[in-house]
This record gives sequence, structure tokens and C-alpha cells, in this order.
Amino acid sequence: KAGVTQTPRYLIKTRGQQVTLSCSPISGHRSVSWYQQTPGQGLQFLFEYFSETQRNKGNFPGRFSGRQFSNSRSEMNVSTLELGDSALYLCASSLGDRGQETQYFGPGTRLLVL
Amino acid sequence: QKEVEQDPGPLSVPEGAIVSLNCTYSNSAFQYFMWYRQYSRKGPELLMYTYSSGNKEDGRFTAQVDKSSKYISLFIRDSQPSDSATYLCAVTGNQFYFGTGTSLTVIP
Repeated sequence: KAGVTQTPRYLIKTRGQQVTLSCSPISGHRSVSWYQQTPGQGLQFLFEYFSETQRNKGNFPGRFSGRQFSNSRSEMNVSTLELGDSALYLCASSLGDRGQETQYFGPGTRLLVL
Repeated sequence: QKEVEQDPGPLSVPEGAIVSLNCTYSNSAFQYFMWYRQYSRKGPELLMYTYSSGNKEDGRFTAQVDKSSKYISLFIRDSQPSDSATYLCAVTGNQFYFGTGTSLTVIP
């Protein structure tokens, strides 16, 4: 069974631009979560989507948004990029039964904002 | 108070040593406990997954959960250079909460 895939793997943007990252979960998984990982803050939860609905949200500004499609694929968008948005963005998928399963991570998208 | 606290290390041990990695968590309602391993420039990979208090063993790895003290541990026996990575603990409530990770280096 194929794992979680994320595209693109690397991205360089400038301040003020926007970016869209994509995630394809493991087949059969209906929950997709997004995380931001930086050396200083560790893994920080952005949001979780389940059956095309946002089920949970972390403490990030509204510039960070996401969506999920009927095939469970998900995208996240960051508008008006800031230097501090430079990070590894990780997507994780799970079956979706809350609290009863583990998450499996993709390789991440490394975003550099100049 | 953070939901999960983890000693960031770094931890450096000689090959063959026993490694102990630890986390504490704040909410007794957390039910599922996981350990992830993350190599440099890669996504985290699931290593161990436990539900109840007690030990779970998988090869050289043992995960231990003590719900009474809200303490979780990962033990690595006969550590190898290939175990050099960052180890993240995680717990589940209404969402997943991760520790900040412990960086481990196993010296040949």
C-alpha cells in the first residue's frame, strides 16, 4: 500500500506570495492533518480534515487554510507569506476514528521564504 | 502547561548502549501513546503504538506507559548507529499532541 505523498517536496517563495501544498493520504484513510515543524517549536498542529470538513484547528493565523476533497486528498494554502513561515510542512493521514488509530506521515514539503 | 513534555537532549551514546527516552503528559484522559522516529530531512515514521499501561516490545524497542504517573518511555537495547535520529513521543486526545523530540546520536 502506498504511503502518504506530498508535493512539492521543496519550495522557495518570497515574502507576500502565497503557496499551496498538496497531500495524498494512504488509500482508505479519511483523516488528514497538517503540521508545521521548525527547529525551535517542534511539530505544531495546523488543522485536521475528515470527510471534507475541518474537524480540528490549531492556533495559527487565518493566513493558513486548508481543504479536503471527496477522494480525501488535501491541500493547504498559506497566503501573504512571512519569513517565519519557513518550515517543514508535514501531512499525516489516519483512518479517522478519533483517538483509536495512529497517524502516518508523509515526507513533508520544505518551504523557504526569502 | 504543554500537553506533552519531552527532554530535547541531545543524547549521545556509544554503540551497544541501552537508551532511555522519556515524556510526561498532562491529561489523564489521553488514551493512545506513540513513538515516532524522524531521520534528518524526512517525515516522522511510526515506531511504537501502545494503549494501556505496561510494556510493549518490538525487537530492540520497548515502549512503556505508566498512566498513574502520566509517564511514557521508549527503551532501545543494543543501540546501533542507524538508530541516530530524533524521537518524538505523541499522545491522542481530541487531536494528536507531540513532544518536541529528543535527538539521539549513537557513536560507532
